[in-house]
Amino acid sequence: DTAVSQTPKYLVTQMGNDKSIKCEQNLGHDTMYWYKQDSKKFLKIMFSYNNKELIINETVPNRFSPKSPDKAHLNLHINSLELGDSAVYFCASSHWGGDGYTFGSGTRLTVV
Amino acid sequence: QQQVKQSPQSLIVQKGGIPIINCAYENTAFDYFPWYQQFPGKGPALLIAIRPDVSEKKEGRFTISFNKSAKQFSLHIMDSQPGDSATYFCAATTGETSGSRLTFGEGTQLTVNP
Repeated sequence: DTAVSQTPKYLVTQMGNDKSIKCEQNLGHDTMYWYKQDSKKFLKIMFSYNNKELIINETVPNRFSPKSPDKAHLNLHINSLELGDSAVYFCASSHWGGDGYTFGSGTRLTVV
Repeated sequence: QQQVKQSPQSLIVQKGGIPIINCAYENTAFDYFPWYQQFPGKGPALLIAIRPDVSEKKEGRFTISFNKSAKQFSLHIMDSQPGDSATYFCAATTGETSGSRLTFGEGTQLTVNP
């Protein structure tokens, strides 16, 4: 059973389009995250949710909108995609207090 | 502002060698220091972690050394194998006070030659 699953794994889209990435975890964790990994493999937090409440909202353009319908799901919607949005987006989950995240396998977004 | 600095950026060793990856941090409030291993096409996976109340932790062939006064910690891989070839990330967090945010180092691409 996959602990943190993301869909889709690959996403190729044109500039200006709107797209969504979905994430689900079956670990019973109460906190979920979105991280962005750039072309140099640097990992940076974008958002975190604890029990459906937004906790961390880094300086991310407001074209990115996370939604957590329940504590097992966290989705990321991106409006008006730009070339610079191309990256790998990772969903992760943990217990609040953060002793060890579990990451999903990532969504490689390519904007052309 | 990069709060966790990692070096080297890349490392090549022969099978059986002991690669060492170093990290330095600035925020003295950090209280949990994990290392993650990432294979191509996969997400980072927790490898080993340490808290600042101990100076060393071993799990199998992986050892973390921690120097609180110098604000540095390092990962040693004993008897390295080609299957250890991956990208390694150090990280740090203040747990609940940071909203469980993990701050990552820049990553080290390790290659273990047969």
